[in-house]
Amino acid sequence: EVQLVESGGVLVQPGGSLRLSCTASGFTFSIFAMTWVRQAPGKGLEWVSSISANSDKSYYADSVKGRFTVSRNNSGNTFYLQMNSLGPEDTAVYYCAKGVGGNTDYWGQGTLVTVSS
Amino acid sequence: DVVLSQSPLSLSVTLGQPASISCRSSRSLVSSDGVTYLNWVHQRPGQSPRRLIYKVSNRDSGVPDRFSGSGSGTNFTLKISRVEAEDVGVYYCMQGTHWPPVTFGGGTKVEIK
Repeated sequence: EVQLVESGGVLVQPGGSLRLSCTASGFTFSIFAMTWVRQAPGKGLEWVSSISANSDKSYYADSVKGRFTVSRNNSGNTFYLQMNSLGPEDTAVYYCAKGVGGNTDYWGQGTLVTVSS
Repeated sequence: DVVLSQSPLSLSVTLGQPASISCRSSRSLVSSDGVTYLNWVHQRPGQSPRRLIYKVSNRDSGVPDRFSGSGSGTNFTLKISRVEAEDVGVYYCMQGTHWPPVTFGGGTKVEIK
């Protein structure tokens, strides 16, 4: 059974930094690209970032480009989202998902990031 | 970026009755390999999203056959043949043909009348 468990979401002040983690199990993590999607309170889904299976390619939404960095550790079945220069607009539940593009199939339970003073 | 427009915004359905949700794309979702990467995702209240349908009309494992997807090019439809209580929540279409970015429709909220 595919399981994706996010962690790291907390209350952080504007301008601060945070690293989210996603631990995967139930599939061969190292051969799948992975994705982060977020959902602001009461809003719809927004794609944030994706990374290829071997980390040679990464992609970002314009809204986070230059501030967020995606990475992964295939030996630990974990993937990360480093978030810098956070603003209130980044307040959201962040979901990790298996796959990329149209092949995104499983989602984690999400972790809440709140940016507020 | 591809814009996906869903309608209606909300739907109130009697148990056992059908429901239909439309998703229209700002450009054709047929990829260069001939595949149309249009998926449907369901999010129950307080839960994470779950993919129901991929590549227009393929049901994911465990998805009841009362759910069906259809369409081509820029117009797509999700149908529920007989709505059950567990079907409440928000349905999103998403496209992965022209990415990045992956884009989502604005969502359609389904509730029981």
